[in-house]
Amino acid sequence: GQNIDQPTEMTATEGAIVQINCTYQTSGFNGLFWYQQHAGEAPTFLSYNVLDGLEEKGRFSSFLSRSKGYSYLLLKELQMKDSASYLCAVRVTSGTYKYIFGTGTRLKVLA
Amino acid sequence: EPEVTQTPSHQVTQMGQEVILRCVPISNHLYFYWYRQILGQKVEFLVSFYNNEISEKSEIFDDQFSVERPDGSNFTLKIRSTKLEDSAMYFCASSERGSNQPQHFGDGTRLSIL
Repeated sequence: GQNIDQPTEMTATEGAIVQINCTYQTSGFNGLFWYQQHAGEAPTFLSYNVLDGLEEKGRFSSFLSRSKGYSYLLLKELQMKDSASYLCAVRVTSGTYKYIFGTGTRLKVLA
Repeated sequence: EPEVTQTPSHQVTQMGQEVILRCVPISNHLYFYWYRQILGQKVEFLVSFYNNEISEKSEIFDDQFSVERPDGSNFTLKIRSTKLEDSAMYFCASSERGSNQPQHFGDGTRLSIL
């Protein structure tokens, strides 16, 4: 089957760094996406990895290891507005694309 | 910045009725998607659509569901004979051609089945 695991909740302090992990067991892996979702709102795209390594985008970085089925999202210089759910999504292909989302990690940033 | 728009924002329907959820994807995007998110649960893929046909669908997307692109701008999800368990947030998304292109999501339609 296709499975994605993320921690349910994390708490961090304003200004700190937090790492949100995602492990996946899927067939036909074709890329991994991270989205941010504030409560009651739509997911918004943060980052994309298809090759192993680190992708950096301002305060956000994402890492992928395909051999380990593992990714993480790193958030630096945390701000209160970063309090949200962070969704790991894997694209799988068997000719056409399908997207599988994890349950999301709810991050609380404390002052 | 262009965005995906969905209407209505909230739909309340009696069980057994049909609903149509509407989406206007970003104009130069070629791939369209519907997702649902039951309250407090994960986002679930329903269907993807490209070149005027379904390219992939999940186990959830059974005969009760259908999608259509009736004109050059709208993309609709029809749910026939709604059930209580269809109550959820339904998100439309679109993306450009290219494997590294992310999906852009609309704000969703909250569907409540009574």
